Amino acid sequence: GAVVSQHPSWVICKSGTSVKIECRSLDFQATTMFWYRQFPKQSLMLMATSNEGSKATYEQGVEKDKFLINHASLTLSTLTVTSAHPEDSSFYICSAKGTSGDSYEQYFGPGTRLTVT
Amino acid sequence: GQNIDQPTEMTATEGAIVQINCTYQTSGFNGLFWYQQHAGEAPTFLSYNVLDGLEEKGRFSSFLSRSKGYSYLLLKELQMKDSASYLCAPWDSNYQLIWGAGTKLIIKP
Repeated sequence: GAVVSQHPSWVICKSGTSVKIECRSLDFQATTMFWYRQFPKQSLMLMATSNEGSKATYEQGVEKDKFLINHASLTLSTLTVTSAHPEDSSFYICSAKGTSGDSYEQYFGPGTRLTVT
Repeated sequence: GQNIDQPTEMTATEGAIVQINCTYQTSGFNGLFWYQQHAGEAPTFLSYNVLDGLEEKGRFSSFLSRSKGYSYLLLKELQMKDSASYLCAPWDSNYQLIWGAGTKLIIKP
């Protein structure tokens, strides 16, 4: 149990376009989902925390108008990178916390590799 | 500030034992996680310690000393597939995971 999926697993887009990444909890309800970004050989950087039905909480330095997060249901959160630029190329990972059971554990999706040309 | 200190890289031999140390400074503390991350993949959960002492789970064990701000991950009977980065991540007072850069473990035959 506790599977999180992400789609797409990789995407290449042109500079100036927008990209949407989906994060789904497949077999549990996720009240909280987290979006991370990871550059090569660096640590995970938390971008934002989203709770179902409310606005996401963004970390300092993360532009909320550029990285749009929607958590419309207990099983789906989306991250839209608007007007993408080459410096947005990174590995984007979501994680989810369930509503029961081992509430301390975050379950990670497989990640989405974004390349902006 | 909040800080995680782990060795950048370690090398060990297949079948041996390796200990990866982690020291941390956080604003409050609600436990500490260890995650494994293979190159190009997302992290996977290994262990969670909230009380002092050793937690054993198969070939992997994790130790915590809250007073010292110290934890270690012990890997026994190393296998080639254990080559990965190991991330120590304490939970701060806001239940936010604080991530370091991790320790890259290289297993040699």
